[in-house]
Amino acid sequence: DTAVSQTPKYLVTQMGNDKSIKCEQNLGHDTMYWYKQDSKKFLKIMFSYNNKELIINETVPNRFSPKSPDKAHLNLHINSLELGDSAVYFCASSTHGLANEQFFGPGTRLTVL
Amino acid sequence: GESVGLHLPTLSVQEGDNSIINCAYSNSASDYFIWYKQESGKGPQFIIDIRSNMDKRQGQRVTVLLNKTVKHLSLQIAATQPGDSAVYFCAERGAQKLVFGQGTRLTINP
Repeated sequence: DTAVSQTPKYLVTQMGNDKSIKCEQNLGHDTMYWYKQDSKKFLKIMFSYNNKELIINETVPNRFSPKSPDKAHLNLHINSLELGDSAVYFCASSTHGLANEQFFGPGTRLTVL
Repeated sequence: GESVGLHLPTLSVQEGDNSIINCAYSNSASDYFIWYKQESGKGPQFIIDIRSNMDKRQGQRVTVLLNKTVKHLSLQIAATQPGDSAVYFCAERGAQKLVFGQGTRLTINP
């Protein structure tokens, strides 16, 4: 009965590698988001998709490429990982695409060595 | 630009006391505000929200106050319990996105 799920929960990888994080929501929402939370707990939006279309791209490096195969999924692919990419990444979803109450996934802790 | 900040990064209270977590925002055009609770190892969880046409909203043991004159938001938790230990974020809505504050860590002393 998980509302927003992410895989994997932990991801440890070497600099320069390419990795993906998957997100799925079963709430019937039409808008999904990716957030990055740094070591100081600061939570910043990266991307937002509404009905599979990109509506927000917050000046994220183009090494980050979100992909939404359908309304229930929003995956995040990261190329050429850097040390500074280490963080916790949260997926979220909401209705109506107007940043109403957002439901967050459990997060993926990415560690780049 | 938009910014949402908190006055105190940490707050320690005695179990059973009331907690007040404060937040300042800068965008006077923001029309919607949310408080989130994030427990260790988990994602943020919605607590309560308030629209800009209101100045107070109550939930179960929580109350949010909005003062648009000074652009200030607060979250009051009544009879704080150990399960309230978490980081609390305020967020304001602007331009199709939520802008989150830095967060306040609430710890409960027995």
